[in-house]
Amino acid sequence: EVQLVESGGGLVQPGRSLRLSCAASGFTFDDYAMHWVRQAPGKGLEWVSGISWNSGSIGYADSVKGRFTISRDNARNSLYLQMNSLRAEDMALYYCARDPRAYSSGYFDLWGRGTLVTVSS
Amino acid sequence: EIVLTQSPGTLSLSPGERATLSCRASQSVSSTYLAWYQQKPGQAPSLLIYAASSRATGIPDRFSGSGSGTDFTLTISRLEPEDFAVYYCQQYGSSPTFGQGTKVEI
Repeated sequence: EVQLVESGGGLVQPGRSLRLSCAASGFTFDDYAMHWVRQAPGKGLEWVSGISWNSGSIGYADSVKGRFTISRDNARNSLYLQMNSLRAEDMALYYCARDPRAYSSGYFDLWGRGTLVTVSS
Repeated sequence: EIVLTQSPGTLSLSPGERATLSCRASQSVSSTYLAWYQQKPGQAPSLLIYAASSRATGIPDRFSGSGSGTDFTLTISRLEPEDFAVYYCQQYGSSPTFGQGTKVEI
């Protein structure tokens, strides 16, 4: 079955760090660019970061630049998001999403179910 | 950053009716790099349309997309019960951004 499964979310205090993971299965992971997209409770969607198939091209939203780091391990079919200096406004459901191209096209043809990040003291 | 504004915020319709959703960009979206997604309660979004008018795999032909430049439209020709959901447009000509969503309700 073609799927993406996120993990690593949880409750974290402001200023602390968290690392999200996304496990891909059912398709050739290194044929695709990958992204993180988030959705605050009751709100719309916000693109967070994207990475090309070979990690050669990486992009971030201005809201997370300098605090978040995206990475991937093609041998493990996994995508990661290291989130540092977390803020209340980072609280959201974080989705892992597949790009239909190896070098990012910027839209998303497969989504995981998300992992919830709660930032609170 | 390209800002996308969707209208209306909520669309109240009945099964069998036609739905027309609008997405307007603050500046021209290059090469019709516009997508539409459907999100049902408690679920992840799913891709409906890419490149403004191309249906994603498995999407029924009652869904159609059109437009270019700054004005785009998603049309659902005859609403089925499973189509009642929130719809988002997204541009990917530059750093990806989404509209705020249109809720299609019964």
